This record gives sequence, C-alpha cells and structure tokens, in this order.
Amino acid sequence: DAGVIQSPRHEVTEMGQEVTLRCKPISGHNSLFWYRQTMMRGLELLIYFNNNVPIDDSGMPEDRFSAKMPNASFSTLKIQPSEPRDSAVYFCASTLRGWSGYTFGSGTRLTVV
Amino acid sequence: GQQLNQSPQSMFIQEGEDVSMNCTSSSIFNTWLWYKQEPGEGPVLLIALYKAGELTSNGRLTAQFGITRKDSFLNISASIPSDVGIYFCAGPQEYGNKLVFGAGTILRVKS
Repeated sequence: DAGVIQSPRHEVTEMGQEVTLRCKPISGHNSLFWYRQTMMRGLELLIYFNNNVPIDDSGMPEDRFSAKMPNASFSTLKIQPSEPRDSAVYFCASTLRGWSGYTFGSGTRLTVV
Repeated sequence: GQQLNQSPQSMFIQEGEDVSMNCTSSSIFNTWLWYKQEPGEGPVLLIALYKAGELTSNGRLTAQFGITRKDSFLNISASIPSDVGIYFCAGPQEYGNKLVFGAGTILRVKS
C-alpha cells in the first residue's frame, strides 16, 4: 500500500493567493482527517470526514479555510486568501476503524510570504 | 476540552541510555496511543494501549496505560541515533472520531 499521499510536499505562496492542498487516503479507509502543525500550537485537528461527509469542522480557523471530499479517494484543503500566519505543516490522515490503523501522510509544508 | 500534558518537553541523551517520558490528563482516556515523528514526515504509530494497567512492548519500546486511566508512560531502552524525533501521546476525544495530541517530547541522541 502506498500510504496516505499528500501533494505538494512544499508550497511557497504570496499573501492573498489561493492555496490548495491535496490528499489521497489509503484505499478502503472511510475516515479522513486534516491537521495543522505549528511550533506554537502543536498538532491541531481542522476537520474530519466520514464516508466523504464532513462531520466536524470546528477546528477550521476561519472562513478562509474550506475542505472538500468529492469521493472516497480524494480530499482538498483550500485557503483563500492565504495569510502569513497560515504558514505551517498540514497533515492528512485516514483510518478505516479503530485507532491502530490511523495513518498520516508526509505532510505539506506551507509558507506564505 | 480534553488536554494531554507531556513531559519532558525535550531530552538530549547519550546513545545507549534509557529514556522515559510520560503523558498525563485531567480526564480519563480509554485508549492511549504513542506516535513518533521524524523530520519531514508525519507521525507514525508506535504502540496502542486499550486497557488500564496494560503494559505493551514493541522492540526496545515499552508503554504502559496508567491504572487511573489519566496517564501513560513510554520507555525506550538502550537508545540509538535513529530514535531521534518527536514522540507524541494521543487519545480519542470523549465524543466523536477525533484524537487529541500532546505537545510532544523532542528526543535527541548523542553518539
């Protein structure tokens, strides 16, 4: 299995630009999670989906952030417009059931200048 | 909300030494998970604990689920340079399909 695949690995963008992060979960997994990691706040859950349906987006920082999961094999996290304080590493994780199968991708390091 | 407190924040040890770190909470957790994150990668699950008092090993790693269900410990024996990374504890939130993570313990090993 290829694991959870995220793209791009690195993204540098100018303030005000739209940024789209992509995630392909492990085939067969039905839950998908987006996290943000910063030095100050550690790992924060932004949103998660069950069977492609957003269940809890209470961690999404503000309206500039949106996430979609159009099908079981693809999800996007979009930031529009981006701001320097959005600079962080964004992780996607997926699982089928239980916690032992909870698998993270390698992350996207976003830098907004 | 539920929070996990990890200690120490960081450790710089000599290769071959044993390492101990812990995680505490004011809330009860029914599952404890320990992850390791290496530079440039996502966290990887090391050990999962499901029962109070449980002691589980994975090679040189041993983790315990505290009797009170409010704490967990991770020990690494005979550390080696590849043990370097950030170690996180995590547990499922009370409601919903979400994990809460501790702030992590940064481990550096001097060879």
